[in-house]
Amino acid sequence: AQSVAQPEDQVNVAEGNPLTVKCTYSVSGNPYLFWYVQYPNRGLQFLLKYITGDNLVKGSYGFEAEFNKSQTSFHLKKPSALVSDSALYFCAVKRGSYIPTFGRGTSLIVHP
Amino acid sequence: ETGVTQSPTHLIKTRGQQVTLRCSSQSGHNTVSWYQQALGQGPQFIFQYYREEENGRGNFPPRFSGLQFPNYSSELNVNALELDDSALYLCASSSHKQGMNTEAFFGQGTRLTVV
Repeated sequence: AQSVAQPEDQVNVAEGNPLTVKCTYSVSGNPYLFWYVQYPNRGLQFLLKYITGDNLVKGSYGFEAEFNKSQTSFHLKKPSALVSDSALYFCAVKRGSYIPTFGRGTSLIVHP
Repeated sequence: ETGVTQSPTHLIKTRGQQVTLRCSSQSGHNTVSWYQQALGQGPQFIFQYYREEENGRGNFPPRFSGLQFPNYSSELNVNALELDDSALYLCASSSHKQGMNTEAFFGQGTRLTVV
């Protein structure tokens, strides 16, 4: 079985400050990890993925994520938040060709 | 924007009715997955189609069924609608290569309301 936990329902950060959205996972074998963003009444947009290789993955819109195998985490980060980053963020995990499992989502609110 | 399109964008149905949702996958993608996203929840996997065959199914009853066509577009059918079926239905396309799926690209979703 595979699962994802996003421990924070909401993250608040001031514009210009660094942001972190947390994700931990559970999967047997090597994980494939993903982050998606969802704006109101829209589908999910792919941000970045970790399959193998460098633990620090860079993605769209200045986001990056760090894979930590020992802590089974894949936290999403951005050095300087923008108001336009305010949205719902989903972490997902899968193994190989299996179907991804999504977390419940974290609402990111960036204050001007 | 991804190349995945869904129709309709919004739909209101009465309990007990049947509904068909449609999805056109991104060019070059041969796999389509359907998800149900209830309010305040993450997407829940319904099923996946690859080469016109169902290739995996989540914990959804048989009244949820689907099709994939030769051009890789897909339909989701739901019979005997229940109030709890009200949700955003998301279609995602990906490419199945060498036993692995690439990341999924999502359409904008169909908002289904059952009254």
